[in-house]
Amino acid sequence: GAGVSQSPSNKVTEKGKDVELRCDPISGHTALYWYRQSLGQGLEFLIYFQGNSAPDKSGLPSDRFSAERTGGSVSTLTIQRTQQEDSAVYLCASSLDGGGIQPQHFGDGTRLSIL
Amino acid sequence: AQSVTQPDIHITVSEGASLELRCNYSYGATPYLFWYVQSPGQGLQLLLKYFSGDTLVQGIKGFEAEFKRSQSSFNLRKPSVHWSDAAEYFCAVEGAAGNKLTFGGGTRVLVKP
Repeated sequence: GAGVSQSPSNKVTEKGKDVELRCDPISGHTALYWYRQSLGQGLEFLIYFQGNSAPDKSGLPSDRFSAERTGGSVSTLTIQRTQQEDSAVYLCASSLDGGGIQPQHFGDGTRLSIL
Repeated sequence: AQSVTQPDIHITVSEGASLELRCNYSYGATPYLFWYVQSPGQGLQLLLKYFSGDTLVQGIKGFEAEFKRSQSSFNLRKPSVHWSDAAEYFCAVEGAAGNKLTFGGGTRVLVKP
């Protein structure tokens, strides 16, 4: 498809388990972003990848959260030892070059529910 | 630090009536400003963006927004709403570094028939 693809669309897991969320950006987009959308906190930035540069991890809420981007394309967001407060929709976005002028295009998100 | 305020959490408007959604931002330099719309269960769709130049920008679905530097505002308008415009709308600001969007809390729009 032409848009940002995220999988799974829904994930239900037990507290304490690890989860992996996947994002497939638009082909040719060098910048990739993860955001979290929750009832209490709204839309929050998590992490930003731009080309081969070191990622901006300033938005990750704890060291249980990590992300990688392989080959400059697909990204995986990993949450270890999940807690109930991790329940949220995790949105991925990509942009052509991350320079600020090119807008970010969003996927439909992964809805994560921690039991 | 940059911030965005959307004062109205909910707005109800009749179909065919005009709509204006307010957005105020705080940013130290000229911001890049965006409006996104989110329908239930969906991601964010870009409605329009402002980078520089003409302060009145046109977007998709008949929306427009006006950048007013003196008021630090970027309000979204539509002359005549359709039932399909019922959704949540987010204003966002991005710095020139392009490393992240800062979002307002969103405004949920309900359209009455």
